[in-house]
Amino acid sequence: EVHLLESGGGVVQPGGSLRLSCSASGFTFSTYAMTWVRQAPGKGLEWVSDISGGGGDTHYADSVKGRFTISRDNSKNTLYLQMNSLRDEDTAVYYCAKGPYTSTGAYTGDYWGQGTLVTVSS
Amino acid sequence: DIQMTQSPSTLSASVGDRVTVTCRASQSISSWLAWYQQKPGKAPNLLIYKASSLESGVPSRFSGSGSGTEFTLTISSLQPDDFATYYCQQYNTYPHTFGQGTKLEIK
Repeated sequence: EVHLLESGGGVVQPGGSLRLSCSASGFTFSTYAMTWVRQAPGKGLEWVSDISGGGGDTHYADSVKGRFTISRDNSKNTLYLQMNSLRDEDTAVYYCAKGPYTSTGAYTGDYWGQGTLVTVSS
Repeated sequence: DIQMTQSPSTLSASVGDRVTVTCRASQSISSWLAWYQQKPGKAPNLLIYKASSLESGVPSRFSGSGSGTEFTLTISSLQPDDFATYYCQQYNTYPHTFGQGTKLEIK
């Protein structure tokens, strides 16, 4: 059974940094692209970033480009999102999702984690 | 970026009703559209991909159609478990934008 578990969320001051992790199990992690999607409180879904199965292909939303970095460690079955220069508007639940293929470019996710809450506040 | 606009934003319906949600793209996305269902406090759940392909395990009362810029999600006979928020997502071009959501409420 596919299982995705996010961790690393919490409260951080504006301008601070945080690293989210997504631990995967139940499938061959390196074979699938992965995505981060976020949802601000009471708002809709926002696509953030994705990465190919091998890690060589990445994409970012303009709102996070240059501040966030997606990466993965296939030996540890773990996806990461390094978030720097955090802003109030980055406050959200962050979900990781498994894509249907190794390459990026497909729909976001056939399996999703339950999310981790990031709160940016002074 | 491609803008995805869903209508209506809120839909009130009864168990057994047939309902349709529309999603419009600001430019052609071919058939690269997915639909998700989200319940409060839960992660989204994939329903439909490539505009009309039903994800494994999703009840057949859900169907999708459309291509280009106009798409629909139809639920043929609403069940109590279907009251949730529905999102469309285009994956033709980065960033893979979502619609603003349609909340399906009990009438």
